[in-house]
Amino acid sequence: GNSVTQMEGPVTLSEEAFLTINCTYTATGYPSLFWYVQYPGEGLQLLLKATKADDKGSNKGFEATYRKETTSFHLEKGSVQVSDSAVYFCALSGAAGNKLTFGGGTRVLVKP
Amino acid sequence: DAGVIQSPRHEVTEMGQEVTLRCKPISGHNSLFWYRQTMMRGLELLIYFNNNVPIDDSGMPEDRFSAKMPNASFSTLKIQPSEPRDSAVYFCASSLAARNTGELFFGEGSRLTVL
Repeated sequence: GNSVTQMEGPVTLSEEAFLTINCTYTATGYPSLFWYVQYPGEGLQLLLKATKADDKGSNKGFEATYRKETTSFHLEKGSVQVSDSAVYFCALSGAAGNKLTFGGGTRVLVKP
Repeated sequence: DAGVIQSPRHEVTEMGQEVTLRCKPISGHNSLFWYRQTMMRGLELLIYFNNNVPIDDSGMPEDRFSAKMPNASFSTLKIQPSEPRDSAVYFCASSLAARNTGELFFGEGSRLTVL
């Protein structure tokens, strides 16, 4: 079956530091890949997505590239802000439409 | 526009009591998902509906859990009887199935504590 593995947190870094969160997946076929973000006390919201190999998703300074050869979709941001403190989830969708498989989440804490 | 609305936001109950969580999806969305989030197990899909019909309930932990969607604008998740290990945040999410974009819209969650 489908599965998503992402690095465990928490990840603690200073403002303006570079952020990378690793995500790898196992899936049959050609899934779409997503990053969702959960701010404290809120539900998840879509951050970015990529629907085919070599696509790059980007939003709010975050980027992730769909790498089929390494089955990865790592999330990066060049200069984080305190407001980026949240839990980040990598996810994939398979053939069953919008049914998503989520990774375990990575908590990121950005200190001033 | 109103997002996904869940109630109650917080529920504290005693073991053995019945718990009912409610969800109103975004108007026009025809897929609805119930997720459970815990520190130990992360985010788990419990069940999802398309056009009010349950499609996959393989994530429902046991017979104590049941979910219904009597119409396009309302769903419930019921736990009877509740147990302390059911303590978690329960999220409802909705989407437009035809779009098949993978974008789910989540509610703010219902935090359940079973004593």
